[in-house]
Amino acid sequence: DAEITQSPRHKITETGRQVTLACHQTWNHNNMFWYRQDLGHGLRLIHYSYGVQDTNKGEVSDGYSVSRSNTEDLPLTLESAASSQTSVYFCASYRLADLREQYFGPGTRLTVT
Amino acid sequence: AQSVAQPEDQVNVAEGNPLTVKCTYSVSGNPYLFWYVQYPNRGLQFLLKYITGDNLVKGSYGFEAEFNKSQTSFHLKKPSALVSDSALYFCAVRDMKDSNSGYALNFGKGTSLLVTP
Repeated sequence: DAEITQSPRHKITETGRQVTLACHQTWNHNNMFWYRQDLGHGLRLIHYSYGVQDTNKGEVSDGYSVSRSNTEDLPLTLESAASSQTSVYFCASYRLADLREQYFGPGTRLTVT
Repeated sequence: AQSVAQPEDQVNVAEGNPLTVKCTYSVSGNPYLFWYVQYPNRGLQFLLKYITGDNLVKGSYGFEAEFNKSQTSFHLKKPSALVSDSALYFCAVRDMKDSNSGYALNFGKGTSLLVTP
């Protein structure tokens, strides 16, 4: 069955380190997203991509970057981790053509100490 | 601009009673509306959506939601709550014609539903 996976599921890192969170989907969806979930804020959009070689900033993109070298993967990089980036990160994908809902990965819990 | 409001941080209901989780939205065009549920330490699971057509939408696990354009609301309902329905519920919206943000969803802050035996 098609799915969307994230790794690692849990990560503890130190302030200032570079961290990359992986997202892989087998739906063959063009649109992919990264959200962060924080108490009292719901989910907020970090970055999104329409397809290969396309990346765009979302609402809370400062300190994050993404790359899209193929359809299946959208890794999220924290260039220099900060304590404010302690959060749960969700990847999602979506196929515009059939107006279906977004499919979410299981999430990565990141702690920056 | 698009936004979603979930006015209740927590909803408590006894098992067997009907439940309602409220959601209001704001979009400049016509809305696509969604409800997702999140169980502890899990990702978001799709419950139901409104795209067009019948204002009463039926979804997974016996949930339904009613789209009310005049009140800009999309409340989630279930006739008889189960303890296993206890979870975090998110309402989300996207403007039908808004291609910005890659068609990302705008989420509410979430409502924690607690169903007691």
